[in-house]
Amino acid sequence: DAKTTQPTSMDCAEGRAANLPCNHSTISGNEYVYWYRQIHSQGPQYIIHGLKNNETNEMASLIITEDRKSSTLILPHATLRDTAVYYCIVRVVFAGTALIFGKGTTLSVSS
Amino acid sequence: EAGVTQFPSHSVIEKGQTVTLRCDPISGHDNLYWYRRVMGKEIKFLLHFVKESKQDESGMPNNRFLAERTGGTYSTLKVQPAELEDSGVYFCASSQLNNLVYNEQFFGPGTRLTVL
Repeated sequence: DAKTTQPTSMDCAEGRAANLPCNHSTISGNEYVYWYRQIHSQGPQYIIHGLKNNETNEMASLIITEDRKSSTLILPHATLRDTAVYYCIVRVVFAGTALIFGKGTTLSVSS
Repeated sequence: EAGVTQFPSHSVIEKGQTVTLRCDPISGHDNLYWYRRVMGKEIKFLLHFVKESKQDESGMPNNRFLAERTGGTYSTLKVQPAELEDSGVYFCASSQLNNLVYNEQFFGPGTRLTVL
């Protein structure tokens, strides 16, 4: 599995966009980029995933560079409830793949 | 629809005792996973069931851990005998079984295990 590198922590003002970067320079062609987050005292929560095209859902947007060596998770209007640890995970996708969590980025949203 | 549930939410036991954790996945989810986070460490994969079969148990730390999923519904994870280093939060997750698309894993709230 490709190794990912994320900043340890980031701060964001409430209502502003939170842009969380992830470096995955050794990603291979059949590996997807997944994002999960863990809000304090809860289980991890799926956010979004993508292969090479940008993706958007009701929670966030995922921007993957053309060479696929890095990506950015965007929370367009961060709220206090978005304070959490965000994990960027790169894995080959097939049914049932287990997740490999790194240290993630602790995002702190303040008012 | 109910999410993944885990029982108990907290367990405090003494070293050498036995503890059994239970996970009830989302109805219809054939994939079931166990993960854990020990203090100060990252979340680590323990094992994966497909229905009642163990698909991957490469993350199980040692033979003191025994996971079962009889009937392919709920799962139990037994630690016997418990050691101090087993303290942490144990998460269960489930997902649908579909070989054509990625199905997100839904996590339970976790069981916090403290071994004294």
